[in-house]
Amino acid sequence: NAGVMQNPRHLVRRRGQEARLRCSPMKGHSHVYWYRQLPEEGLKFMVYLQKENIIDESGMPKERFSAEFPKEGPSILRIQQVVRGDSAAYFCASSLLQGRENIQYFGAGTRLSVL
Amino acid sequence: QKEVEQDPGPLSVPEGAIVSLNCTYSNSAFQYFMWYRQYSRKGPELLMYTYSSGNKEDGRFTAQVDKSSKYISLFIRDSQPSDSATYLCAMRRDAGNMLTFGGGTRLMVKP
Repeated sequence: NAGVMQNPRHLVRRRGQEARLRCSPMKGHSHVYWYRQLPEEGLKFMVYLQKENIIDESGMPKERFSAEFPKEGPSILRIQQVVRGDSAAYFCASSLLQGRENIQYFGAGTRLSVL
Repeated sequence: QKEVEQDPGPLSVPEGAIVSLNCTYSNSAFQYFMWYRQYSRKGPELLMYTYSSGNKEDGRFTAQVDKSSKYISLFIRDSQPSDSATYLCAMRRDAGNMLTFGGGTRLMVKP
């Protein structure tokens, strides 16, 4: 499967715990994007990363949220001390190129439920 | 006011009908326009990708962009029950990386 892979598909956490969401981009893609989809809402941009660099984190909450895309391994979206409002579907997308050819392909998402 | 507006539906049509889905937007800087299809509890799947104004056709799907009116459309011909899904429009500025999405329109095609 050469698509964007996200895991876990479902994640349940209690308030105050940490959530780690992983994303492996499509083969050959070095650009990764994270989006959040709240119930009955569209997707909202959170952060854009290239290998070892955060390029744009303008959509990510300043506290409790962090993202990385290491030289080796998947991109990680980390949410510390989760609250009920963090319950949502988190989608990762990847692209091969930038500019006009920036076409983003999405994974199946991780559905986070905070109890 | 949201940057991208999309009627949430649901839109219910009989099998074989022509479906018209639309989005309006307020930011004239948007240059790239996309339509994604999202089945329940799945990820968005890219259907159409267009640059600036004009039409693009791919099989049963036609995307139209009218930048002067800030209005984009997706037409589905000969709709099938398998087309039942939520359709998301998305847009991007020329120099930007992030996609701005509409809220999605839920489509139901009845046999």
